[in-house]
Parts: sequence; structure tokens; C-alpha cells
Amino acid sequence: GNSVTQMEGPVTLSEEAFLTINCTYTATGYPSLFWYVQYPGEGLQLLLKATKADDKGSNKGFEATYRKETTSFHLEKGSVQVSDSAVYFCALSDLAGGTSYGKLTFGQGTILTVHP
Amino acid sequence: AAGVIQSPRHLIKEKRETATLKCYPIPRHDTVYWYQQGPGQDPQFLISFYEKMQSDKGSIPDRFSAQQFSDYHSELNMSSLELGDSALYFCASSFSGGSGTDTQYFGPGTRLTVL
Repeated sequence: GNSVTQMEGPVTLSEEAFLTINCTYTATGYPSLFWYVQYPGEGLQLLLKATKADDKGSNKGFEATYRKETTSFHLEKGSVQVSDSAVYFCALSDLAGGTSYGKLTFGQGTILTVHP
Repeated sequence: AAGVIQSPRHLIKEKRETATLKCYPIPRHDTVYWYQQGPGQDPQFLISFYEKMQSDKGSIPDRFSAQQFSDYHSELNMSSLELGDSALYFCASSFSGGSGTDTQYFGPGTRLTVL
């Protein structure tokens, strides 16, 4: 079946530090890949996505590249801010066999805390 | 822009009671998904509807049922509530045209507490 594995957290950084959150996946078909962010007490917000190999998703300074050869979709940001503190979820949507109708499979989430 | 609306935002129930959660998708979205997120857990897919018909089913207990109505809003009905049902329940919607390929937009969630 499909699965998503994220690097274990929590991750604690100082403001302006470089961020990498690793994400690897297993899927039977050609999945679309997503990063969602969840701020305390709030719902899930789409951060970025990529729908095919070598696509790069980007938003608000965050980037992730769909790497089919390494089945990875690592999230990066060059300079984090205190306001980036949240839980980050990597997810995939796989339509292999035409039966999954786009349901999302999530990784376990990575808690990011950024200190001033 | 309009977002996914969920109601209520918070719900407290006793064991063995029933609960109904409502979801109003983004206008013109044709697909609704329900997810359950336990404390400190990742969201788990429960069930989805495309054009008012069930399109996929995940790890949804038999005590739960759901439907999508003619106005595209959806309701998740939960009976014989157990302590383990305490969680954040998310609804998401997308426009997929039946392909399930478009991005899902999530509502703020309903926090259910079972005492």
C-alpha cells in the first residue's frame, strides 16, 4: 500500500536558519505530492504541491522537488521565521488502478519550532 | 475566497451518545473527504463522496456513516460514541471532475471530545 515517511521531529531552529524536512514515499502508481502546514489550533493549509517527477513546488519561501528516482519530496526553506512554527505534513494522492479517488495518505508530521 | 465550513467547531458528548458533524464544501467543488486526526497523530482518511455518491472508503468504523446531500454539503454521523473517538475531524473538498486529481482544501475541523 501507499505510505509516507517523514523525518522524526521535533525540529528546533533559530530564526534565519536553513530548514530541511525529509519526506520519502511508497506508492503503486504515479502520485501527486503535497506539503500541508497546521498551525496550533487550526486546520490543514496547503503549502505546496507537485504532480509529476522533477516538478518543483514553491510557496512563501518554501520549496520541494518531486524526485522519482529517490521517491522523495523534501521540504526546504532558506531562512525560517518565528511565524513558520507549526506542524508540517507530507502527503501523497495516488490514483493507481483508478480506485483511490484522490484520498490523501499523510506522513506522521514534523513539529517545527523557530526561536528568535 | 470561500473556504470549507465545518460545524460545530467543538462538540462534547458522553459515551454511547450520537454526534453529527457537518461540512459545507467550497462552491462548485464536487468531492468531499472526511479525515480523523487523533491527538499527536497524522490525519487518517475515513470516507469520500463524488457527486453525492460514495467514492472511496477508508478505516471508518461501522458505527459511523456519512452522506452527501443534493446541495453538496456532507454529514458524518457517529453513533455509540467511544472514548477513542475523541479526535479532530476534518472535511476537505476538491473539484475533481471524477478524476480525484485536484487539490484538497481543508476546513478548520471539528474537535470532538467524548467523556
